[in-house]
Amino acid sequence: EIVLTQSPGILSLSPGERATLSCRASQSITSSYLAWYQQKPGQAPRLLMYGASSRATGIPDRFRGSGSGTDFTLSISRLEPEDFAVYYCQLYGTSPLFTFGPGTKVLIK
Amino acid sequence: QVQLQESGPGLAKTSETLSLTCTVSGAYISSYYWTWIRQPPGKGLEWIGYVYSSGTTNYNPSLRSRVTISLETSSNQFSLKLNSVTAADSAVYYCARLNSGSFYGGYYFYMDVWGKGTTVTVSS
Repeated sequence: EIVLTQSPGILSLSPGERATLSCRASQSITSSYLAWYQQKPGQAPRLLMYGASSRATGIPDRFRGSGSGTDFTLSISRLEPEDFAVYYCQLYGTSPLFTFGPGTKVLIK
Repeated sequence: QVQLQESGPGLAKTSETLSLTCTVSGAYISSYYWTWIRQPPGKGLEWIGYVYSSGTTNYNPSLRSRVTISLETSSNQFSLKLNSVTAADSAVYYCARLNSGSFYGGYYFYMDVWGKGTTVTVSS
């Protein structure tokens, strides 16, 4: 079983700052199998990125996904107030077929 | 615009069966894969399983012995049944659509449209 680890667990930043979130797999994965989701309190997760680096419909270009092998990154170039949320990475294609990381919470500093 | 809506009892009794339905609008249920995910209070996301129009299913091994996901094509719905529930099954349950992409080595899936979720509490 491939385990996803996200760091940091909590990221405290101010609006306008850059956020860098990490997702690490316990073994090398196909980058196309990696997706990112954003979840705000009381809401369902929302797809941000798929195929590691493709933005979902309606996602602003301040969000960027990158990485390969075991190390993947979600970057938010300039944090907007609506970006403060929990972010999950998700892997497809292993057992279980879909695995989520534990999440990174982005807090307003 | 594709929308999904979960429905079902908010309370289930220990050892009984949890049953939820997801109603799909704006898309033909026979054209996609459909999936259930859950989130215990204050915790992360856990994938439960998916169903496809052919009847194909795939379940999380940790839940496989207790879960059934099925399609109701005539009503554009799909459902989740989880039996022998315990307090550990208390969670927000989400339904979602699986969309797919391809690359030179194959294809992959991701959850592109989600329902708002429904809370199920298991209690004796």
